[in-house]
Amino acid sequence: GAGVSQSPSNKVTEKGKDVELRCDPISGHTALYWYRQSLGQGLEFLIYFQGNSAPDKSGLPSDRFSAERTGGSVSTLTIQRTQQEDSAVYLCASSPDGQGAGYTFGSGTRLTVV
Amino acid sequence: RKEVEQDPGPFNVPEGATVAFNCTYSNSASQSFFWYRQDCRKEPKLLMSVYSSGNEDGRFTAQLNRASQYISLLIRDSKLSDSATYLCVVKSLNDYKLSFGAGTTVTVRA
Repeated sequence: GAGVSQSPSNKVTEKGKDVELRCDPISGHTALYWYRQSLGQGLEFLIYFQGNSAPDKSGLPSDRFSAERTGGSVSTLTIQRTQQEDSAVYLCASSPDGQGAGYTFGSGTRLTVV
Repeated sequence: RKEVEQDPGPFNVPEGATVAFNCTYSNSASQSFFWYRQDCRKEPKLLMSVYSSGNEDGRFTAQLNRASQYISLLIRDSKLSDSATYLCVVKSLNDYKLSFGAGTTVTVRA
């Protein structure tokens, strides 16, 4: 597509439920990133994909968080047993090769855990 | 210590004014530097890269001081549409991820 597409744009979930966030990167972009942004905070790196592999998962805050990418394209970020501190905007970005400044962000998923 | 630190502001300036702000970075191996702009409840978008010799893009001027490890952004002749949060971003050589500051908020008033 023309840009990075994320869905849903908003998600309200009850504490303890699992949620799945989706990112559809720009076609042909091999690098895909997940960040999250809490209110008034900077962007926190979560995970990076190069193709389908994730060489760096170090940013995932706990084992409740996981992500996968299939076909070198769509990625899903799954949060199990959500907690209130998981409430944030989850941003996905893609870039042609993981180098340089060619990050394009999606508009994010605003997750609220109640 | 955070990798990238910024004065959160807010900087409230009248239209037509000049506003400038800095950020500092802690990793001396940082090689690439950028300013991103983020509007309220929107995603960040690249404003400009920052080069060692300093660079301009219209009303925006970016400077890099490697010795002191800080980056600056100056906005001349401020417009109402410049109101946003400006994110300072750094990247290390051979690193794939960008490190973001928490942002400096600028509000331009009529």
